Amino acid sequence: DSGVTQTPKHLITATGQRVTLRCSPRSGDLSVYWYQQSLDQGLQFLIQYYNGEERAKGNILERFSAQQFPDLHSELNLSSLELGDSALYFCASSRGGGATQYFGPGTRLLVL
Amino acid sequence: GIQVEQSPPDLILQEGANSTLRCNFSDSVNNLQWFHQNPWGQLINLFYIPSGTKQNGRLSATTVATERYSLLYISSSQTTDSGVYFCAVSNTGNQFYFGTGTSLTVIP
Repeated sequence: DSGVTQTPKHLITATGQRVTLRCSPRSGDLSVYWYQQSLDQGLQFLIQYYNGEERAKGNILERFSAQQFPDLHSELNLSSLELGDSALYFCASSRGGGATQYFGPGTRLLVL
Repeated sequence: GIQVEQSPPDLILQEGANSTLRCNFSDSVNNLQWFHQNPWGQLINLFYIPSGTKQNGRLSATTVATERYSLLYISSSQTTDSGVYFCAVSNTGNQFYFGTGTSLTVIP
């Protein structure tokens, strides 16, 4: 157990819908990263937050948004979902930017 | 972004064999991490190794940053070593680039 929790574990929804994925980092970790893992794209960095502030943005679609709250948990919002958004979404946390990353178990999203 | 290439893409080993996995990257980095994704999908950090050599039990890793590559050595492989091994790099500590992984199968 990495100490990083993600909910829900599985999510099935329809095209056009909106979902929210939640991540709680390890105790003491200030940095949260979001990644998408799909069969055709591999592991792609989406966005990183450090102590509530956005620090880096990767291949994140405009339909996706994220935030980190004062208690350091983070949420990834996916809207106007398309079939191609079906993937495993991971959250990772670290003490600070660049430190060892610890991954949560992931949320498996299926868009029908 | 930084291009990360891992080789070989697939590897099948008999239990007890040794192996070397390679990660090449296209730009200078100040952060490199190796991960193992087990068959249940969990990603586990193996090493934080921007340079130098580290060992942890049967696993060791070496990064030669000036030549832009890292190696992961697995000795006396066990069936529990099966899964996909990823290398991830960054030159900012914020945005990370992952390779496509090496899929390892260890046969009893």
